[in-house]
Amino acid sequence: DTGVSQNPRHKITKRGQNVTFRCDPISEHNRLYWYRQTLGQGPEFLTYFQNEAQLEKSRLLSDRFSAERPKGSFSTLEIQRTEQGDSAMYLCASWRSGGLGNEQFFGPGTRLTVL
Amino acid sequence: GESVGLHLPTLSVQEGDNSIINCAYSNSASDYFIWYKQESGKGPQFIIDIRSNMDKRQGQRVTVLLNKTVKHLSLQIAATQPGDSAVYFCAENKSSSYKLIFGSGTRLLVRP
Repeated sequence: DTGVSQNPRHKITKRGQNVTFRCDPISEHNRLYWYRQTLGQGPEFLTYFQNEAQLEKSRLLSDRFSAERPKGSFSTLEIQRTEQGDSAMYLCASWRSGGLGNEQFFGPGTRLTVL
Repeated sequence: GESVGLHLPTLSVQEGDNSIINCAYSNSASDYFIWYKQESGKGPQFIIDIRSNMDKRQGQRVTVLLNKTVKHLSLQIAATQPGDSAVYFCAENKSSSYKLIFGSGTRLLVRP
């Protein structure tokens, strides 16, 4: 257990529905990252926050995706009008700036299945 | 473009033997590299990291080697154990960017 938690762990939804995932990072970590991972592939960067500010978004993050970190603590990732291609594992990671390296601590992920 | 890739998708080793997992990267501007271990149903777990000003770094039973000339990274696991069975990813990072770029992974299978 890295101290990063994600909920729910699994989500099954029908195409066209909206889904929201939550990530609770390690409390003193000010950076929070979202990644997406498909079977057999490494995680792909989606976006990251420094405290409550969203500083970078990947071109993978279409207009249907939105992420927030309103108080600089937990974060939510919402997908609107889900498509089958959105089926993947969504991973959250946190990191404390000022540390020795860029080690990111990952949560267990939320596995999304879009039917 | 930027990419991190692996030579072998699956590596099978006998318990007790040493394992070597290789990774090639293409972005010469990357200055930080990490190896992650991922077990089924879990998120990636940090194993060891290395900066570009180093060639070698050792941890407990693990060693990471970095060859910047050929843009090659390797992870050596000594005395491989059944608990080492997992998928291993290398990832790269530039100091000016905060995102990690992952390769596609190598599955390590440890035979008893």
